Amino acid sequence: EAGVAQSPRYKIIEKRQSVAFWCNPISGHATLYWYQQILGQGPKLLIQFQNNGVVDDSQLPKDRFSAERLKGVDSTLKIQPAKLEDSAVYLCASSLGLPWGYGYTFGSGTRLTVV
Amino acid sequence: KNEVEQSPQNLTAQEGEFITINCSYSVGISALHWLQQHPGGGIVSLFMLSSGKKKHGRLIATINIQEKHSSLHITASHPRDSAVYICAVFYSGGGADGLTFGKGTHLIIQP
Repeated sequence: EAGVAQSPRYKIIEKRQSVAFWCNPISGHATLYWYQQILGQGPKLLIQFQNNGVVDDSQLPKDRFSAERLKGVDSTLKIQPAKLEDSAVYLCASSLGLPWGYGYTFGSGTRLTVV
Repeated sequence: KNEVEQSPQNLTAQEGEFITINCSYSVGISALHWLQQHPGGGIVSLFMLSSGKKKHGRLIATINIQEKHSSLHITASHPRDSAVYICAVFYSGGGADGLTFGKGTHLIIQP
């Protein structure tokens, strides 16, 4: 079974530039999550999709972050403009959407460095 | 707000030692995950628990719902077990089901 695919693996940009990350979840997984993990901390949920609808985006900085999952499959997360504090690993995860996160699987993440 | 606390934050041990990592949380949960994250790598789910105990190879995870506490044990530890181990919980009561994570325990097993 293929895992959760993310790209790019690494990205370095200057502050005020924009950047986009891509995630392709496991086939059949209805629920998709984007997390931000700052060095030394646990991941923080940014946004959760159920199919192509948003379930929770309460911690997404909407003035600069946006995410979409138009066809209910793959998803993109965008930052525009980037700030130095956005330097982090951005993790995508997917699950079957059943209670308790059955089948919860993470991608390898995208490491973003803002300089 | 549910807090997830892990201890210890850092742990260095010799190969072969028995390792215990603890996780406590403050409100009722539906389930708890133990996750492993290698440096520069993605996160792998080791266990999902809602009660009792699970075992996989040299790894054992237990949860005590009444005490709101879980432990991850590694028997006969090996240098390849060196990683960050993260406890994460799903809250009870519905709503968005994203995980809430502890800050992780950085484990180093020395040969």
